This record gives sequence, structure tokens and C-alpha cells, in this order.
Amino acid sequence: QQQVKQSPQSLIVQKGGIPIINCAYENTAFDYFPWYQQFPGKGPALLIAIRPDVSEKKEGRFTISFNKSAKQFSLHIMDSQPGDSATYFCAASKDTGKLIFGQGTTLQVKP
Amino acid sequence: DAGVIQSPRHEVTEMGQEVTLRCKPISGHDYLFWYRQTMMRGLELLIYFNNNVPIDDSGMPEDRFSAKMPNASFSTLKIQPSEPRDSAVYFCASSMNNEQFFGPGTRLTVL
Repeated sequence: QQQVKQSPQSLIVQKGGIPIINCAYENTAFDYFPWYQQFPGKGPALLIAIRPDVSEKKEGRFTISFNKSAKQFSLHIMDSQPGDSATYFCAASKDTGKLIFGQGTTLQVKP
Repeated sequence: DAGVIQSPRHEVTEMGQEVTLRCKPISGHDYLFWYRQTMMRGLELLIYFNNNVPIDDSGMPEDRFSAKMPNASFSTLKIQPSEPRDSAVYFCASSMNNEQFFGPGTRLTVL
């Protein structure tokens, strides 16, 4: 019940494409869903986050879509660039502050 | 703000030696987390503190691992004695209102 399942494990798109990364959770008590971006040799960095009272949140080229009934959320990267090549982690938490992370998706954007 | 500060950035030691990793969280954050990241196991939460008090240490792999937070601006993760399988990148993160910010990590190599 504490797991967050992330897919796909890896993803390759052409520049300008729209990669989509999906996550699913079981615990309906989760109320905070962030996405983290990690470049090689760096720590994960908070990218964008959503709470279950909205179905979509957009920040620049990054959009989270949230489906509360299906217990799923996804990250879309519009007009992807080679600089977006990184590992992306979804996560979920309740009010404890402890994040449950997905397994990560390695994204490669080809020029 | 300087962000989460970790030291050392790299540590190479021999099996059996004691290793101490250090973390300075972002000022004002009330949660502090220690994670371990490896290719095989991904990002694992080891332990986290709330207002300097350990809340959940269920992720600490063995009694060889210990963590302390003597005050709001400093935490340590100690491994004694170290083993080659402890080789990993160790991240410290701090948060307030669920938003976790990660440090740059310490890459530990145990020979």
C-alpha cells in the first residue's frame, strides 16, 4: 500500500517530442505528489508538485496530470530538449513529510 | 540560501573503517532525511528526523549504521565498520511543508 509504481523504466524521444511518465499509487491517504529531476552526479531536484484537489498543474514546459479516481498521475514534458535528458522520479506522501519514491525513469532526448 | 550542504563530497575508505557523513539542512526546515542511492536498489530512505527527533529509522540496513541530529543545523550518518556493499551515494534532504530539497550527495567507496 505504500508503494508508488513508475513506468516506463527508460524512454527515448526526439527533440520536440512529448515524453510521458506515469505513476500509480494505492494509498488514498497520500495528499502530495511531487516530481523530481536528477542529472548525473547531482542530487534530485524538485521539479513540480500537485495536490489532489486539482487535476492538472503546469509550470513552463512541465505538466502534471492527476486522476484521483484511478490513483494515477503523470508528467508530460512539452517540446522536450536534449537538456531535459535526466532521470525523473515521482513520489507521494501524506502529512508526515516522508516521501515514497517511484523507481525512476531515465529519459534521453535525442537532438 | 546555500541549500543543503553535505560533506565530504567523496569518501574512499577501506573495509572496517568508520565513516562519518555530515549534513547541514536549509535553515528553518523542520524535517531532515538521509537517503542512499545505488543502481541496484534505487533511492532508499534510511532515516528521517522531525525537529531533531528521529521519527522512522526502519530503512537503516544494519546496526552498523547510526544517525544523529544534535541540533537543527547539523546531522551525521555514521557507518561503523564500513563494508564494500555500503558503497553508494548518500543524500541528505531537508523539508518544510512537504517540499524536500536534496543536497549534492556524498559518494562513498569502500574498498
